[in-house]
Amino acid sequence: QKEVEQNSGPLSVPEGAIASLNCTYSDRGSQSFFWYRQYSGKSPELIMSIYSNGDKEDGRFTAQLNKASQYVSLLIRDSQPSDSATYLCAVGGNAGNMLTFGGGTRLMVKP
Amino acid sequence: NAGVTQTPKFQVLKTGQSMTLQCAQDMNHNSMYWYRQDPGMGLRLIYYSASEGTTDKGEVPNGYNVSRLNKREFSLRLESAAPSQTSVYFCASLKGGTGNTIYFGEGSWLTVV
Repeated sequence: QKEVEQNSGPLSVPEGAIASLNCTYSDRGSQSFFWYRQYSGKSPELIMSIYSNGDKEDGRFTAQLNKASQYVSLLIRDSQPSDSATYLCAVGGNAGNMLTFGGGTRLMVKP
Repeated sequence: NAGVTQTPKFQVLKTGQSMTLQCAQDMNHNSMYWYRQDPGMGLRLIYYSASEGTTDKGEVPNGYNVSRLNKREFSLRLESAAPSQTSVYFCASLKGGTGNTIYFGEGSWLTVV
C-alpha cells in the first residue's frame, strides 16, 4: 500500500520565522508531488507542485524534493498568522490520475 | 468559473436513511473522485472515476455507491447511512496525465444520528 507520512503537529513558529514542513513517501515510482493548504472548515487548495529533484520557489514558499531519500518538504519564509492552517502533502504515481495524501501537518504561526 | 460544485453543503441523516451527494465540474476533466476526511485520518479515497463510464473502489468504499452520470457529474450514494459515515465529504476532479493535480469542491458536512 502506498503511504505518505507527515508529522501531525502542531508545528508552532513565531511570526516572521521559517516554517519547515516535511513529508516522506513509500512508492519509489512516484512522479509528482504537491502541497495543499487547508484552513479549518474549508477544502484543500493547491499551493505548490514539484516534479524534479531540487528546489522550487514561489513567493514565500519553497518546495524541496529528494527522490533518492523519498522526501519532500515545504518551507514557508516570513511566516504570517494567515499561514496558520493544515498542510497536506500529496504524491502522484505514474498513471497521473491518482494522488495519495498524507494526514497533514497543522501549522500555527504566533504573532 | 465554478470549478467543482457539490451539494448539499450540510445534511443530517437518521441511521438507515439514504441520500445522494451530487458533484459536478465544469473544467472538462476526465477523472473525478470522492474523498472523506475525518479528524486525524486525513483524506481517504472512497471511489474514483478515471473517465466517463468507469468507476473504481478506493481505500474505504464500503457503504457507498457511485455513478458517473456523464463527464461532468459524479454522485456518491449512501444506501443505509450509519453513524460511522459522519464525516466531511469532498468531491474532486483532475484532467489527467503526469503532473496534473486535483481540484476540490467546497465539501459536504454529513452527520448521521
